[in-house]
Amino acid sequence: DIQMTQSPSSLSASVRDRITITCRASQSISSYLNWYQQKPGKAPKLLIYAASSLQSGVPSRFSGSGSGTDFTLTISSLQPEDFATYYCQQSYSTPRTFGQGTKVEIK
Amino acid sequence: EVQLVESGEGLVQPGGSLRLSCAASGFTFSSYAMYWVRQAPGKGLEHVSVISSNGGSTYYADSVKGRFTVSRDNSKNTLYLQMGSLRAEDMAVYYCARESSVVVTATPRKKYYYYYMDVWGKGTTVTVSS
Repeated sequence: DIQMTQSPSSLSASVRDRITITCRASQSISSYLNWYQQKPGKAPKLLIYAASSLQSGVPSRFSGSGSGTDFTLTISSLQPEDFATYYCQQSYSTPRTFGQGTKVEIK
Repeated sequence: EVQLVESGEGLVQPGGSLRLSCAASGFTFSSYAMYWVRQAPGKGLEHVSVISSNGGSTYYADSVKGRFTVSRDNSKNTLYLQMGSLRAEDMAVYYCARESSVVVTATPRKKYYYYYMDVWGKGTTVTVSS
């Protein structure tokens, strides 16, 4: 199975901050990398697919980059509704493994 | 509206069984592979099982292999997860999710299919306790 490792596990930030979350795969996965946002008690929501494509309806302050083994999710100007947990997930092979999550909290 | 609705939530004793259902609407259910993903309390997301669009191919995580069975009825637009020999570590919120794909044509002979879970149900809770 491909292991996905996110960093940091949590971060504290303020509204309007720019934040970056990193995801590393245990082997090359080309651009087969997705990002999800999850709020407490809710289902995950797709933000980014194929490493850098923005899902329809997702604000443009979210962006993704990377290929191979190293990927990043950037929120250019953090908004109050962005405080949540973010997961990366590879779709290069089955099982579709997820990172352990990054919790973004209010400073 | 594209929607997935899970049902079958319950409290089960260790060793017991439970069947989860996931009703799909608003899209052509028979065209998509479908996933079960679970989340234990306070933990991350785990891919439990997947079934191909026609039901001919399935996958199970090692943690549930031999105990869980995924199936689908495309005539009823419904996905199922039959869970048996339940353990405390199976206690979680179970989500069903649709996997979509986008094709990128790099060259006339080379196409790449990128997969992602774009529709999720709200989840159903399985509690395993005596």
